[in-house]
Amino acid sequence: DQQVKQNSPSLSVQEGRISILNCDYTNSMFDYFLWYKKYPAEGPTFLISISSIKDKNEDGRFTVFLNKSAKHLSLHIVPSQPGDSAVYFCAAGGTSYGKLTFGQGTILTVHP
Amino acid sequence: DTAVSQTPKYLVTQMGNDKSIKCEQNLGHDTMYWYKQDSKKFLKIMFSYNNKELIINETVPNRFSPKSPDKAHLNLHINSLELGDSAVYFCASSQSSWGLNTEAFFGQGTRLTVV
Repeated sequence: DQQVKQNSPSLSVQEGRISILNCDYTNSMFDYFLWYKKYPAEGPTFLISISSIKDKNEDGRFTVFLNKSAKHLSLHIVPSQPGDSAVYFCAAGGTSYGKLTFGQGTILTVHP
Repeated sequence: DTAVSQTPKYLVTQMGNDKSIKCEQNLGHDTMYWYKQDSKKFLKIMFSYNNKELIINETVPNRFSPKSPDKAHLNLHINSLELGDSAVYFCASSQSSWGLNTEAFFGQGTRLTVV
């Protein structure tokens, strides 16, 4: 029973365009959400997070949107750059859980 | 100056062997984790330790035994390795295990192949 799902295994975009990565969750007890980026042969690195009391958080080119009623979050990257090519994982946690639950990742490829 | 380091990076071994993966963090974090990335690419938590105490054990076979000699180290020992244990294992740490401080820092992973 996967409580966090990323239904798009891959996404391909042109350099300079917007990349939108999506994530759905089922557990309404989750109250914060994170995005991680992973390059081959490396561990995931933290990118951006959002608490459930917000619906948007922005950090430079990266913006995370949270739609609690739809149990959906998305990561927008504008403008996309070739160096953004990586696997992106969304993760969710709850203040009473003591762990993060991850999705299966989306492979983003940004073409020059 | 790696924050979370795990060794070895690659491990190839035969079925039935016993092996260990070591993990160390120099971030001063209280909580450490082992995650397994399975064939479907999900990152699934196996264990979590907070200040050397086991706080999460996610229905992992008892052939897997974590050991935390101090809060900077969390090692994973696996007995009687099986083909299905082949995966990438990630160690991670976070400032705490609760609330918004659960942002986890990951090691580079250990690719375990059982033949």
